[in-house]
Amino acid sequence: DAGVTQSPTHLIKTRGQQVTLRCSPKSGHDTVSWYQQALGQGPQFIFQYYEEEERQRGNFPDRFSGHQFPNYSSELNVNALLLGDSALYLCASFRQATNYGYTFGSGTRLTVV
Amino acid sequence: LAKTTQPISMDSYEGQEVNITCSHNNIATNDYITWYQQFPSQGPRFIIQGYKTKVTNEVASLFIPADRKSSTLSLPRVSLSDTAVYYCLVGDGNYGQNFVFGPGTRLSVLP
Repeated sequence: DAGVTQSPTHLIKTRGQQVTLRCSPKSGHDTVSWYQQALGQGPQFIFQYYEEEERQRGNFPDRFSGHQFPNYSSELNVNALLLGDSALYLCASFRQATNYGYTFGSGTRLTVV
Repeated sequence: LAKTTQPISMDSYEGQEVNITCSHNNIATNDYITWYQQFPSQGPRFIIQGYKTKVTNEVASLFIPADRKSSTLSLPRVSLSDTAVYYCLVGDGNYGQNFVFGPGTRLSVLP
């Protein structure tokens, strides 16, 4: 049973460009959250999607947007990239109405130059 | 969301038991306590979750006192491969599971 799958694993972009990161949740999971993790810091919550809607959002600008598809997979879009957006982007999934923790993917390493 | 406080770092030796304590004074009635382990360049991995008293699985134990204002993750007989960052999170067990990560505890296991 595949866990959370993220693509691509690594990405290099130029300042001002746009990027799309993809996530397939673990089988049976219906909720996806996205986190940004800078080097040496804990993951920072970006937003959460459930039933194709953004349900919760952290303290991130509107340049960060997302989408969830009917098959529960999700995308994270970042516009007008800044150097400070360089980080490991983590996708985590879980199933509603359960009290188990997240299952995380291995992340996408984004480097903005 | 309840804020958590953990030691920034800990050192241990192989074969020892390691206890990492997390403070969460403002934990809410519906909140669960969850611990994750993270290796460099990987996503966090779920270790254990509990609500009260004691929970044990194949890798760790979680001790939660009656007032639930703190919790202790116990790792028995650590090995070098247990060197990682450990995060304590507190969150609602319902759909709002947007757990807030702190800086975590960096555990170094020495030979």
